Amino acid sequence: GAVVSQHPSRVICKSGTSVKIECRSLDFQATTMFWYRQFPKQSLMLMATSNEGSKATYEQGVEKDKFLINHASLTLSTLTVTSAHPEDSSFYICSASMTGLWEAFFGQGTRLTVV
Amino acid sequence: SQQGEEDPQALSIQEGENATMNCSYKTSINNLQWYRQNSGRGLVHLILIRSNEREKHSGRLRVTLDTSKKSSSLLITASRAADTASYFCATGRKAAGNKLTFGGGTRVLVKP
Repeated sequence: GAVVSQHPSRVICKSGTSVKIECRSLDFQATTMFWYRQFPKQSLMLMATSNEGSKATYEQGVEKDKFLINHASLTLSTLTVTSAHPEDSSFYICSASMTGLWEAFFGQGTRLTVV
Repeated sequence: SQQGEEDPQALSIQEGENATMNCSYKTSINNLQWYRQNSGRGLVHLILIRSNEREKHSGRLRVTLDTSKKSSSLLITASRAADTASYFCATGRKAAGNKLTFGGGTRVLVKP
């Protein structure tokens, strides 16, 4: 199957700093990638849809100025958590699909801890 | 908001037993997928069933879909300790593009 690589897998940062998470499709081109947030023992909450070459589409209630998404190429999308606070601590996961297919390929996830 | 509701939320079984979990959804769909997530990891696609299909098999997995009841079930036969994970259903609708809507998940523990 296709491979999506997410980096870093874990990050600890201080309150007020920004953190960038990368999501790469290694062996296919992804015009669309998705960013999710997951709380312990809960399901995935879609944060935004990342579209190559255009602005991301954010879900209701997600602050676009806080969670900056850039999809500069067909294989890379980044999520930057700006001015992080402890309440932003969570597990963030990206996914990508090949054009025309429904199956989603997920990155390994990033555990963000803001102290 | 999550469209799918999964039942049960947690399941504990012995190795060798079958595990069954259910998923219900609210709107019409084009397909329904099942994913597995090991603790602290990303999700892995297991199986996709289209809205015009009623049953699908893949190895030890059996998925059913009843569009009249807006529900699906995932059966794992002859479970193994390695099947311990959370299982999520996800629905796809053409109107939503490639966006998937995930259920709440079922945490499965297979005891050796």
